[in-house]
Parts: sequence; C-alpha cells; structure tokens
Amino acid sequence: AQSVTQLDSHVSVSEGTPVLLRCNYSSSYSPSLFWYVQHPNKGLQLLLKYTSAATLVKGINGFEAEFKKSETSFHLTKPSAHMSDAAEYFCVVRLTGGGNKLTFGTGTQLKVEL
Amino acid sequence: DAGVIQSPRHEVTEMGQEVTLRCKPISGHDYLFWYRQTMMRGLELLIYFNNNVPIDDSGMPEDRFSAKMPNASFSTLKIQPSEPRDSAVYFCASSPQGGNQPQHFGDGTRLSIL
Repeated sequence: AQSVTQLDSHVSVSEGTPVLLRCNYSSSYSPSLFWYVQHPNKGLQLLLKYTSAATLVKGINGFEAEFKKSETSFHLTKPSAHMSDAAEYFCVVRLTGGGNKLTFGTGTQLKVEL
Repeated sequence: DAGVIQSPRHEVTEMGQEVTLRCKPISGHDYLFWYRQTMMRGLELLIYFNNNVPIDDSGMPEDRFSAKMPNASFSTLKIQPSEPRDSAVYFCASSPQGGNQPQHFGDGTRLSIL
C-alpha cells in the first residue's frame, strides 16, 4: 500500500534562510507524488507534482522537490524563506489503481521568523 | 478562472439538526472529492465521485452522512442528525480525468456542532 511519512511536524526557519521539509514515501510502484500548501482558513493549494518525467521538480513560489528512488524520499526545499511561506505543507501520494485517490501525510507546520 | 466553490464558509448549529454542505466543482472536472480535516485525524477522504457516480464511500463515517452529485456542477454532503464530534472543516476538491492530475480544493466549510 502506498503511504507517505512527513518526518517533522514543525519546522522553524529565519527569513532568508533555506527551507527543507522532509517526506518519505512507501510504494510498490513508481508513485505519483505531490506537495500541497495550506494557509490558515484556506484550502490546499498545489505546489508541485512528480510524475516520473524528471526527478527534480520545480513548483510555484520558488519551491522545488527532488525524487530520490534509492532513498524513497521527496523532500521539499526553497533556497530562501519568506514570511509569506509560513503555512502547513502536505506531502501526498496518489494511490495506484485507486482512481484519483490521494493519501496525505500528517503535515509540517512551517514557521518563518524575522 | 473560478475555482472550487463551497458554501457556506461557516456553519454553527445545534446537535441533532440537519446540515447540508454544498460544492460547485471546476467546470469540466470529472472527479469530485469530499474531505474532512480535524486536528486529531488530519485530512480524511470521505467519498469521491467520477462523472457524478459515487466510486468509493468507504470513508463516510456513519449512516448519518450522505453525499449526492445530481449533476456535473453540484454536490452536497449532508449530516443528519448532526453530533458535536462532526465539528471539523469539510473540503471539496475536483480534478480532471487522466492520471496524475492534481486535485483543486475549495476553501472549505468550517462546521461547529454545539
């Protein structure tokens, strides 16, 4: 069965420093992986998706993620954090053969400090 | 472009009352999903539709919950009778047909059952 594990429930960085949000996946097949962001009182917004075309995926707002099959990881990074990046981030895997069903990680709350 | 539209944004009602949540998916999207988000359980898929037909309702917690999609542009999630433990944020999402298509989320309905 496919699943994702987000290794940190909370991450705190200073504005202007790099962001690393960690995600490991479990899948018997080549997975489809996504990162979503949720700002307070809003729905989830797609940041980026991996669909096997390229291992380094670029998303919106300067975020990117690298698919590493050997490490079963799909970590989200950004070179320089901005105050507006403070939000909750979800790593998500699409279930193979499950229509378009998604399995969500438990989320990482990103705090950005001055 | 209009995104997924949910109504109401907030609902406060007393235990035992019927609650109806509404969703208008993005035009042309074939899949529609209903999720529930709580602090304790995170984001849970309740039910999803493909071309207006319910495909998987295994996430619906009890018979008190029901969902319909009478046409391609409208869906409802109904709780009758409501209980305090149903308090949560309910999200609707839609996506196009085809593999690896991301889901687009509405801003949610924050439901409080007193």
